[in-house]
Amino acid sequence: GAGVSQSPRYKVTKRGQDVALRCDPISGHVSLYWYRQALGQGPEFLTYFNYEAQQDKSGLPNDRFSAERPEGSISTLTIQRTEQRDSAMYRCASSPPWRGRGDAETQYFGPGTRLLVL
Amino acid sequence: GESVGLHLPTLSVQEGDNSIINCAYSNSASDYFIWYKQESGKGPQFIIDIRSNMDKRQGQRVTVLLNKTVKHLSLQIAATQPGDSAVYFCADSTGNQFYFGTGTSLTVIP
Repeated sequence: GAGVSQSPRYKVTKRGQDVALRCDPISGHVSLYWYRQALGQGPEFLTYFNYEAQQDKSGLPNDRFSAERPEGSISTLTIQRTEQRDSAMYRCASSPPWRGRGDAETQYFGPGTRLLVL
Repeated sequence: GESVGLHLPTLSVQEGDNSIINCAYSNSASDYFIWYKQESGKGPQFIIDIRSNMDKRQGQRVTVLLNKTVKHLSLQIAATQPGDSAVYFCADSTGNQFYFGTGTSLTVIP
C-alpha cells in the first residue's frame, strides 16, 4: 500500500515568505508526527497529533511554526515569515492505532520536504 | 532537554562480519527505544524496537540490547551486507515524544 507522502518534495522560498508543508499519512494511522532534520543529524521532534488533536507542540521552535490536522488525516505544517535558519528537511511520520500488546507503535516516515530559505 | 548520543560517528566493517552500533541515552524515564536505518536521500526506516522491561530483542539478523543501569543501547547486525550501509539512529521515547541521536554512518567494505 501507499506510504506516507509529503509535498512539496522541495521548496525554495525567500526570507519573510510563508510556507505550508503537507503530510498525507498512511490510511488508518492515528498518530502523526512532524520532525525537522538537519544534515547529518537525527530527526528533531516538533509536534504530534492523535487524530485531529494536537497532543504535544513543545518541539515547535517558536510561534512562527504551527501545525494542524483538522480532519484527523492530512496535516499541514506552516512556517510564517521564514528565516534562513528554517532551512532543513521537514519529515512527517505516522503510526497505527495502539494495539495494546507489548509492541509499541512503529513510526513510518515520509520522504520529507527539503526547505531552502534564501 | 534530553540527549541521545552515539559513541562513534562512523563505522566501517568487512562484509560478512558482525557490526555493533552503540548509543547512550540520558533520560532514565524513557521506556521505549527504537533503531532506525536511513539510506541516503530517504527517510528513516524502522529496524527494531525494545521496551524498557526487556534487555534483549532479536529480529532478522539484528539484535538490540538494552542496559538500563548505564543507559546504553546497542544494535548488532549479523553477517553485515553491503545493503546495510546507511546511517543508523537510535531514538528513545517517553510517552509519544521521540528523541533521536546524531547517527552513526555504517560503511560495509566488500
